[in-house]
This record gives sequence, C-alpha cells and structure tokens, in this order.
Amino acid sequence: QSALTQPASVSGSPGQSITISCTGTSSDVGDYNYVSWYQHHPGKAPKLMIYGVNIRPSGVSNRFSGSKSGNTASLTISGLQVEDEADYFCCSYTRSSTLNWVFGGGTKLTVL
Amino acid sequence: EVQLVESGGGLVQRGGSLRLSCAASGFTFSTYWMSWVRQAPGKGLEWVANIKQDGSQKNYVDSVKGRFTISRDNAKNSLYLQMDSLRAEDTAVYYCAREGSAWNFDPWGQGTLVTVSS
Repeated sequence: QSALTQPASVSGSPGQSITISCTGTSSDVGDYNYVSWYQHHPGKAPKLMIYGVNIRPSGVSNRFSGSKSGNTASLTISGLQVEDEADYFCCSYTRSSTLNWVFGGGTKLTVL
Repeated sequence: EVQLVESGGGLVQRGGSLRLSCAASGFTFSTYWMSWVRQAPGKGLEWVANIKQDGSQKNYVDSVKGRFTISRDNAKNSLYLQMDSLRAEDTAVYYCAREGSAWNFDPWGQGTLVTVSS
C-alpha cells in the first residue's frame, strides 16, 4: 500500500476538466509545500508537471494546476486532450524517520 | 539536453546481485542529489535511495537497508545502485532521477527492469 492515497482511475471527455486527489498525513503533505506531480506514459520516463504544490515547470501547459488543503493535494487538468491520457503520480517530502519521499499509488486518466 | 539513461537490469535469481548504472548528461552532475525510484508491476512508485552531491550522505527506504548500496562517480557523471540479496519483491522497473533544488524529481530516466526469480 502506497503512502499517499490516490484514486485508481479517473476519466473525462475532451475539453472537460478533471481533478485527481492525493491524500497524505500531517507528516508529509500536510507539513510541507513540497508536493509534486508526475505524468507517466508507460515505457517512457515520468515527467514533472507540478512542483511546490502549484508551480508549473517551464514548458508545461497552463491547463495543469495544483493545490493543497490540509493533508490533501490536488491536480486539476482543464480542457482535457487525448494526449493527457496517462498515469499520474503525486509525491511529497516526508519527515518520516524511515524514508525521505513518499509517492501515491498512481491514477490512470482515461480521456474518452 | 538534460538526460538520464539507466542500464544493468535483467533477470536474476533470488539471493543474487545486480548493479544498476545511470549515465547523466546535459547538466553539472556533481551539484545535485540523485535518487533511485522503483515501480513494481501494477504498483505505485517507491523511493528507494538517494545520495548527496559529494557522496557523503546516503539514505535508504527501510526495505532495502543493508542490501542495497547507492554510490556515484562524479568524474564519470554516473550513479549506481548495487543490489545484493535480492528478493522477489524487488522486482520492478528502477528509475534514476535528479533531485531538483525545488524539492522535486526532474528529469527521470526511462528505467531499467529488474526481475528476481524465485
């Protein structure tokens, strides 16, 4: 079981918006603004989409946005496009004594 | 172009050893923390280990402590993961990733598959 909880799947139609949640604890998501999101097409390298909760790296579409409330972070994708179909993982720094970083189990986004 | 390329994966018997390598290019390798992250079949990502710029500090997830060793050679722009006493549950795609100054992983390599047979 992953340390951060994400829905296994979400779906939407082209042009719609979807939100993926990422729930942690007060030791990770709730305690740090070091939440990042990654897009992963199978067989390819994961790609950074959001860091610092809501910062988009250069080159990432402004259709991607992030937010956080308490122990839950969220990734919103607006104006869904077919090429957005992928797995999405959240990640947070943690003050756990046993590891530095925790990831979510991943969410499969299907664009219908 | 900033790039990471892993190699060294393969099929190994339980209890065996394997050494993964990650070749970095396009950036000043010696100025970044580096990590290994893995994804078991059908599972989420799991951070495995990281190493400080000069190799003086190393951290591991509990499940690999005492069995895996992370290291780096800044002269060769390379990151390594020595995996000993391998278990079936170590079967995964292993990715190397650069830890950015803004507390993220960017970029990642495409991964190398490690399969531990029982």
